[in-house]
Amino acid sequence: AQSVTQLGSHVSVSEGALVLLRCNYSSSVPPYLFWYVQYPNQGLQLLLKYTSAATLVKGINGFEAEFKKSETSFHLTKPSAHMSDAAEYFCAVSEPEYGNKLVFGAGTILRVKS
Amino acid sequence: GAGVSQSPSNKVTEKGKDVELRCDPISGHTALYWYRQSLGQGLEFLIYFQGNSAPDKSGLPSDRFSAERTGGSVSTLTIQRTQQEDSAVYLCASSPGGERGTQYFGPGTRLTVL
Repeated sequence: AQSVTQLGSHVSVSEGALVLLRCNYSSSVPPYLFWYVQYPNQGLQLLLKYTSAATLVKGINGFEAEFKKSETSFHLTKPSAHMSDAAEYFCAVSEPEYGNKLVFGAGTILRVKS
Repeated sequence: GAGVSQSPSNKVTEKGKDVELRCDPISGHTALYWYRQSLGQGLEFLIYFQGNSAPDKSGLPSDRFSAERTGGSVSTLTIQRTQQEDSAVYLCASSPGGERGTQYFGPGTRLTVL
């Protein structure tokens, strides 16, 4: 069965500092992995996805994530945080044999301090 | 082009009443998903439609929940005899299908059961 663990329900960084949001997954087959962002009172917006091509995936708004099979991780990073990055971030996994339905982590709320 | 739309954006109902939530997917998307987002349970898969195939109902929490998709487009999620624990944000997503289809989410319907 698939599962996703996001370490840290809340992360706080200073503006301009590195953002690192952690995600570990469990899957019996090579998974598809996603990061979504949710701003207050809005739906989920796709940041980036991994679908077995390049292990380093670049997304929107300067975010990127690296798939590490040996560590079963898919951590999200951004070199320099901006105030507009404050939101909740969800890591998700899907498997084609399960109809690509997404299994989400619990989410990490990112706070950016000025 | 237009994204996924959901209506109503907010719904307040009394315990025991039935409610219907509507989702209009992106035109041409063959796959449609419903998820529920609640404080206690996070983001949970509810049901999945793919083309003309039988829906995957494995995530529906009880037989009070049902959904249909008419003409391969619009979907309605129905909750009968609502309970307070049904209070949540109900999110719809659509996808072009295929193994690597990304899911695009609507803004959600916030359901409050009094």
